[in-house]
Amino acid sequence: AQSVTQPDIHITVSEGASLELRCNYSYGATPYLFWYVQSPGQGLQLLLKYFSGDTLVQGIKGFEAEFKRSQSSFNLRKPSVHWSDAAEYFCAVPYYNTDKLIFGTGTRLQVFP
Amino acid sequence: DADVTQTPRNRITKTGKRIMLECSQTKGHDRMYWYRQDPGLGLRLIYYSFDVKDINKGEISDGYSVSRQAQAKFSLSLESAIPNQTALYFCATSDSPGQGAGTDTQYFGPGTRLTVL
Repeated sequence: AQSVTQPDIHITVSEGASLELRCNYSYGATPYLFWYVQSPGQGLQLLLKYFSGDTLVQGIKGFEAEFKRSQSSFNLRKPSVHWSDAAEYFCAVPYYNTDKLIFGTGTRLQVFP
Repeated sequence: DADVTQTPRNRITKTGKRIMLECSQTKGHDRMYWYRQDPGLGLRLIYYSFDVKDINKGEISDGYSVSRQAQAKFSLSLESAIPNQTALYFCATSDSPGQGAGTDTQYFGPGTRLTVL
């Protein structure tokens, strides 16, 4: 069955440091992949998505993600974290290319000044 | 004004009570979804609707029902609330995917925090 795994429940970084959030998927074919962010007290917002083509995807707020088929991964990166990036981040994959999303369990990012 | 609104934002109720959570959207999207979020479990799909006459069960529909009153409105009901339905509930919308199934972006409301005592 399809699944999405986010191995890190909680990550803490200092402001200005680089960030990588991990996402691994289980899927028979090349999946569509999404990263969403949930800021405190708010709903989820799409950061970026991958369908095909260039494996490095640029998103909003300076985030990027790289699709690596060999590792079944779609890790989210940012070269320099800002305090406003503190939030919970969710990786998601559609259920067998339907419009139902399967979400990972999320990674909570804490940013220290 | 927000594109996807949810009411109420917070609700405390007692076991056995009937509760309705409402979602409205001004995005003009056909597709609407209800999720619940529990700590450590991510978001799980309760029900979804691809148009006014189309209602489908999601992963965890037991104990819930929905009503799609119009394109813009999608309500979630708990007929007899129980404590393990305490969670954060999100409504989301999406447009019919132009690039094929599974490609649409979902737009989320701010959530309703429900506590069942």
